[in-house]
Amino acid sequence: EAQVTQNPRYLITVTGKKLTVTCSQNMNHEYMSWYRQDPGLGLRQIYYSMNVEVTDKGDVPEGYKVSRKEKRNFPLILESPSPNQTSLYFCASSSQRDNAYEQYFGPGTRLTVT
Amino acid sequence: QQQVKQSPQSLIVQKGGIPIINCAYENTAFDYFPWYQQFPGKGPALLIAIRPDVSEKKEGRFTISFNKSAKQFSLHIMDSQPGDSATYFCAASRKYGGATNKLIFGTGTLLAVQP
Repeated sequence: EAQVTQNPRYLITVTGKKLTVTCSQNMNHEYMSWYRQDPGLGLRQIYYSMNVEVTDKGDVPEGYKVSRKEKRNFPLILESPSPNQTSLYFCASSSQRDNAYEQYFGPGTRLTVT
Repeated sequence: QQQVKQSPQSLIVQKGGIPIINCAYENTAFDYFPWYQQFPGKGPALLIAIRPDVSEKKEGRFTISFNKSAKQFSLHIMDSQPGDSATYFCAASRKYGGATNKLIFGTGTLLAVQP
């Protein structure tokens, strides 16, 4: 089954404790992206990657890091989480060849930083 | 110029009604306008999309109306059903940095269809 998976689905942590949210896709997509979803603000892009070893900032990159060492994986790293990073996070991927406009989203990771 | 403005924030209709969700944009470089549907506990999924060279697109009970001159587009759901209850996001996309297509999302509309 073609899918984007994220782990963990739920995470409660404390301020300053480094964490990583994993994202993996099995569709051989070149493009991957991270979004955060907040009430009244919709989905905002954090970082994206056009291919292996190619990443760039989205609209709200502060406080986040990413890496793309393999085509299928795109982890999101919070080096020192703060309460304002409490949010619902989505990873997405798309093919740059077939239908570059359709993005496939993972199930989401709900993060709470206390 | 990068924003996509969506309204209303929430909407309640009776079964069989026709909810309408509206979006507006400023950047004329946008060349693709998708709608995503999100059920509770799930990620958004592409529902229907339109390009600016057509004024309307229908897929089943879902219709996008597009007004290029007004820079507005809307989603209509015909004969709405309780199973359509979800959050709907409009979006706009353009080429960015070469091949990448960047999606700019609206703020979302929470739709509830009452039985």
